[in-house]
Amino acid sequence: AQKVTQAQTEISVVEKEDVTLDCVYETRDTTYYLFWYKQPPSGELVFLIRRNSFDEQNEISGRYSWNFQKSTSSFNFTITASQVVDSAVYFCALSGSGGGADGLTFGKGTHLIIQP
Amino acid sequence: DAGVTQSPTHLIKTRGQQVTLRCSPKSGHDTVSWYQQALGQGPQFIFQYYEEEERQRGNFPDRFSGHQFPNYSSELNVNALLLGDSALYLCASSFSRGLNGYTFGSGTRLTVV
Repeated sequence: AQKVTQAQTEISVVEKEDVTLDCVYETRDTTYYLFWYKQPPSGELVFLIRRNSFDEQNEISGRYSWNFQKSTSSFNFTITASQVVDSAVYFCALSGSGGGADGLTFGKGTHLIIQP
Repeated sequence: DAGVTQSPTHLIKTRGQQVTLRCSPKSGHDTVSWYQQALGQGPQFIFQYYEEEERQRGNFPDRFSGHQFPNYSSELNVNALLLGDSALYLCASSFSRGLNGYTFGSGTRLTVV
């Protein structure tokens, strides 16, 4: 069975601080995909990144960066110089080799609050 | 280019009733997946429809059923509603069963009283 754990229920930081959201996963698949989604108050899940299990390179996109470490089964997400607009609930998710055809397994989410 | 459209946005039903939720996928997408998100929780996979057939199903009872139409739109039906069915129901569309990721709608907030 697959499992995603986001141990941080809520994080509150002041604007311009860096913040890291933790994600630990469990799977028996050798091929799998990891995702991060952002959920603003409007409700829709906004796709941020998808990474497959064979690509352990870290990724940077503007103020966002992701650190994938297979050895510790972690896929952490860092926001540099946080902004108030980054306030949202962030979900880490996992799928099997189907890339999502078998459904995504989500963590419980981390509520990120950026204070001005 | 419209994204994923879900209707209605909010719904209140009584325990024991039946409900139908609707989803129109993003243009160019042929696959629809449904998720249930209880308050304070992550979304849970209900099922996926592709080529008008249910292709994959999560751990949900048969009270949850669905349909996909030839234009790729989809319905989620829930029978014999329970208080515990109160949740945000999210629809996600994709091309070819999620090959390049999913686009989510804003969801339908269902309250069962």
